[in-house]
Amino acid sequence: NAGVIQTPRHKVTGKGQEATLWCEPISGHSAVFWYRQTIVQGLEFLTYFRNQAPIDDSGMPKERFSAQMPNQSHSTLKIQSTQPQDSAVYLCASSPGLGYEQYFGPGTRLTVL
Amino acid sequence: SQLAEENSWALSVHEGESVTVNCSYKTSITALQWYRQKSGKGPAQLILIRSNEREKRNGRLRATLDTSSQSSSLSITATRCEDTAVYFCATEASSGSWQLIFGSGTQLTVMP
Repeated sequence: NAGVIQTPRHKVTGKGQEATLWCEPISGHSAVFWYRQTIVQGLEFLTYFRNQAPIDDSGMPKERFSAQMPNQSHSTLKIQSTQPQDSAVYLCASSPGLGYEQYFGPGTRLTVL
Repeated sequence: SQLAEENSWALSVHEGESVTVNCSYKTSITALQWYRQKSGKGPAQLILIRSNEREKRNGRLRATLDTSSQSSSLSITATRCEDTAVYFCATEASSGSWQLIFGSGTQLTVMP
């Protein structure tokens, strides 16, 4: 079991460019979560999927952020027209069910210049 | 405002000492989880304690839960340098929600 896999581990983009972050959850887990972590804001919930369906995107900045889960083996978080304030570590987690622990990947550090 | 919050920004102890991290939360919960995040890694769960439990142990770790005061504590005995990490408590966003809300974390430094 390789755990949750996130790629790339580091990404540098210029202001206005697009960034796509990938997450491969643990096989058999029914839920996938995306978080953003910064020193100032801490660990912020962005969105989650259950059985590939989007359930709650209340944490997503509406205009430039989108997330998809086209199949049970991967999810993507896309940020269009990246801004310096998007610089953060983006964490993906998966969980086998309600009330269970979330297993986190190592994160993708996004730096927007 | 945070639904769950640790009570200290940072703690430091020497190896072998015991330390306790405290957490307060604001909602009715079914469970509270403690996570640890080491530098460059994602958080990893340490203990999940359900609302009908008062104490849970995992090796050198002991978590308590007091639903009347909406507080929890995580104690680590015989600390080691590798316990150096940020410790978070987390609760569900609302009853029956799969979403977790994390506190801002407590940085624990264990010195040789």
